[in-house]
Amino acid sequence: QVQLQESGPGLVKPSETLSLICTVSDDSITSSTYYWGWIRQSPGNGLEWIGNIYYSGSPYYNPTLKSRVSMSIDTSKKHFSLSLRSVTAADTAVYYCARRDYSDAFHVWGQGTLVTVSS
Amino acid sequence: QSALTQPASVSGSPGQSITISCTGSSSDVGSYNLVSWYQQFPGKAPKVIISEVNKRPSGVSDRFSGSKSGNTASLTISGLQAEDEAVYYCCSWAGSITFYLFGTGTTVTVL
Repeated sequence: QVQLQESGPGLVKPSETLSLICTVSDDSITSSTYYWGWIRQSPGNGLEWIGNIYYSGSPYYNPTLKSRVSMSIDTSKKHFSLSLRSVTAADTAVYYCARRDYSDAFHVWGQGTLVTVSS
Repeated sequence: QSALTQPASVSGSPGQSITISCTGSSSDVGSYNLVSWYQQFPGKAPKVIISEVNKRPSGVSDRFSGSKSGNTASLTISGLQAEDEAVYYCCSWAGSITFYLFGTGTTVTVL
């Protein structure tokens, strides 16, 4: 069964860039069936979709974050990445990577990684 | 765009049935049969329990069922069990501008 694993710094300073990588355990990252996404959850709050990317590229983003977000994918390394620029304390959250299938649901999730924005 | 609206909490006794609503608009829930539901335990990642309004992924108990009427989707848990205590989120595709909206989340308590 495929597994997703987030990695990256747990602490980012305000105004800097948050960068995370999600490593996929199998070759499904090259499949045309799936999209790969990032979703975050602020402490004690609900879920917020950040963006999705396809194996060939073509990312699309939450319009509320679009000006600060970029995603990329490297199928040869079996990973995809998230960059969020100009972070503030409001970006402190657990960041999940996930796999979306044809049903438009996120069927596979990483365990999540807490990123704290603080000086 | 704003989150889909769910009740903050729902409770029931063991064996009872409960229903969680997820209210959106004609631009999201009302326009697409692409509503999914997620179960989340404290400190854990969400797990999909319903996709495409009413489809259960393999391995999900048949005590969970989904439906939709107009701009409101619903999740019903039948035969409530202590292990169902968790937070439940809905999610809907909302078109090619907004894309995905999650619900505000509902805490289910088994009395």
